[in-house]
Amino acid sequence: EVQLLESGGDLVQPGGSLRLSCAAAGFTFSRFDMTWVRQAPGKGLDCISGISGSGGTKYYADSVKGRFTVSRDNSKNTLYLQMNSLRGEDTAVYYCARAGSGWCFDFWGPGTLVTVSS
Amino acid sequence: EIVLTQSPAALSLSPGESATLSCRASQSVSSYLAWYQQKPGQSPRLLIFDASNRATGIPARFSGRGSATDFTLTISSLEPEDFAVYYCQQRSHWPPTFGQGTKAEI
Repeated sequence: EVQLLESGGDLVQPGGSLRLSCAAAGFTFSRFDMTWVRQAPGKGLDCISGISGSGGTKYYADSVKGRFTVSRDNSKNTLYLQMNSLRGEDTAVYYCARAGSGWCFDFWGPGTLVTVSS
Repeated sequence: EIVLTQSPAALSLSPGESATLSCRASQSVSSYLAWYQQKPGQSPRLLIFDASNRATGIPARFSGRGSATDFTLTISSLEPEDFAVYYCQQRSHWPPTFGQGTKAEI
């Protein structure tokens, strides 16, 4: 059974940093691209970053480029998102999702809440 | 980036009725269009991928069609558990983008 579990969400001040993790199980992690999708309270879904199975190719939405860094450790079956220079508009539930076929997300974690506020 | 516009924003239906949800892309996405269902407090669930293919375990009452810029999701004979928000999503171009959602309510 495929399982994804995010962690690391917290309340952080504007300008602060946070690192999210996503632990994967139940599939060969290194064979799949992975992504981070966020959802602001009461809003829709926004794909902000993706990474290839090897970790060699990374993608970012313009809204986070230069501030967020995606990475993965295939030996630990874990996906990461380093978030710096956080802003109020980064407040959201952050989901990790597996890209099953291209950037089509067949499995999702339950999400972790990041709140940016003073 | 490609903008996806869903209509209607909300629709009120009764169990047993059929629902047709639309998604229009600002440029062609070929058949690289997916549909997701999201219930309150839950993460999204993949229903349809590549316009018309049901994901594993998705009931046959869910069907998708379309290509290029115009797509539809049809739910025949709504069950109580189908009342949720539905999102379309394109994977043709980075970044993958989602529509704003259609809320199916009783």
